Amino acid sequence: GQNIDQPTEMTATEGAIVQINCTYQTSGFNGLFWYQQHAGEAPTFLSYNVLDGLEEKGRFSSFLSRSKGYSYLLLKELQMKDSASYLCAAMDSNYQLIWGAGTKLIIKP
Amino acid sequence: GAVVSQHPSRVICKSGTSVKIECRSLDFQATTMFWYRQFPKQSLMLMATSNEGSKATYEQGVEKDKFLINHASLTLSTLTVTSAHPEDSSFYICSARADRDNEQFFGPGTRLTVL
Repeated sequence: GQNIDQPTEMTATEGAIVQINCTYQTSGFNGLFWYQQHAGEAPTFLSYNVLDGLEEKGRFSSFLSRSKGYSYLLLKELQMKDSASYLCAAMDSNYQLIWGAGTKLIIKP
Repeated sequence: GAVVSQHPSRVICKSGTSVKIECRSLDFQATTMFWYRQFPKQSLMLMATSNEGSKATYEQGVEKDKFLINHASLTLSTLTVTSAHPEDSSFYICSARADRDNEQFFGPGTRLTVL
């Protein structure tokens, strides 16, 4: 079956760094997405990885290892506004997104 | 970046009425659009895949006669919730997959409240 695993909740301190891990099992693979979702809002696209390696975009970076079925989202210099749910989603061979349940990130001052 | 709009953003209706939600890709063509539903504190649930010019593909457990989907053009898909009931109250989100590179973009969502 198809499955995405990510931690349910994480807590970090303002200004620090946090890594949110995601493992996936899908029928075929066409990329791994990370989305940010604030409560009551639609998800916002953060990153897309289809090749192995690290992609950096400002304070956010995303890493993919296809052989391990593993990705992580790295958030640096955390700000209070980064408190949100972070959704990992893998695209399968039919180009459909298989969603994780999301990781609720709590930032403390 | 690409923009996907949804209309309306919020709707309140009486039980038994029908509600239509529009999803538009504003600056790109999307042969395929997706409709999701999100219950509080849960992940997005894919309801159906909408394909321009053909019938939508519904996920298991989603009633196709209740959630009517029409993908009229390469930039517009509509979801009609027919004979809405309070249990249909939810956040409905659409996404459009860009034909040019398969990247997926989300609409802002529509919050439906059925009284």
